[in-house]
Amino acid sequence: EVQLVESGGGLEHPGRSLRLSCTASGFTFSDYAMNWVRQAPGKGLEWVGFIRSEAYGGTTECAASVKGRFTISRDDSKSIAYLEINSLKTEDTAVYYCTREVYGSGSYSLDYWGQGTLVTVSS
Amino acid sequence: SSELTQDPAVSVALGQTVRITCQGDRLRSHYASWFQRKPGQAPLLVIYGKNNRPSGIPDRFSGSTSGNIASLIITGAQAEDEADYYCNSRDTSDNYHWVFGGGTALTVL
Repeated sequence: EVQLVESGGGLEHPGRSLRLSCTASGFTFSDYAMNWVRQAPGKGLEWVGFIRSEAYGGTTECAASVKGRFTISRDDSKSIAYLEINSLKTEDTAVYYCTREVYGSGSYSLDYWGQGTLVTVSS
Repeated sequence: SSELTQDPAVSVALGQTVRITCQGDRLRSHYASWFQRKPGQAPLLVIYGKNNRPSGIPDRFSGSTSGNIASLIITGAQAEDEADYYCNSRDTSDNYHWVFGGGTALTVL
């Protein structure tokens, strides 16, 4: 059974940094690109970024709204994806989800999601 | 435009058919996926690609695209279908970035 479990969220002050983890099980983690998506209170889903599998260079892409402050990485030996958030802002307050990306039937999709971890940024 | 636009809210009578739409220029060349989001739960993929359902998704959920409008159709809506629905799509010409629509709150009356 595919499982994704996020951790590392909590209450943090503006300007600080935070690293979120996404621990995967039930599939060959190294074969898949992994994405991060967030949902702020009362708002919709917002794509944050993704990291390709090592077979495709392990490179990352981030949304323009977070580029420069958010860093995505992965440790395939531990089946973990990371999202590091620097210079936290109050508007980063959200539930952060990791999600697996697949390609099939001629299209990409985000097929499995974790339950999310809440990040609250407040002074 | 790289945006995806959804109606904020839609309602349907129990057992009737409802269409939830998602509009955006990128849909002319890239399929949309659809996600169901219930309070306290992770988003659930219900439709992807041309019209594909992941295992376990009831066949009352279907998808279609015409021009720059993608639709999620629920045929015979059930009470448990009441949720927020989001479309998303990827632009392979935009560094493979994803974008989500703003979401549609579905009420089953």
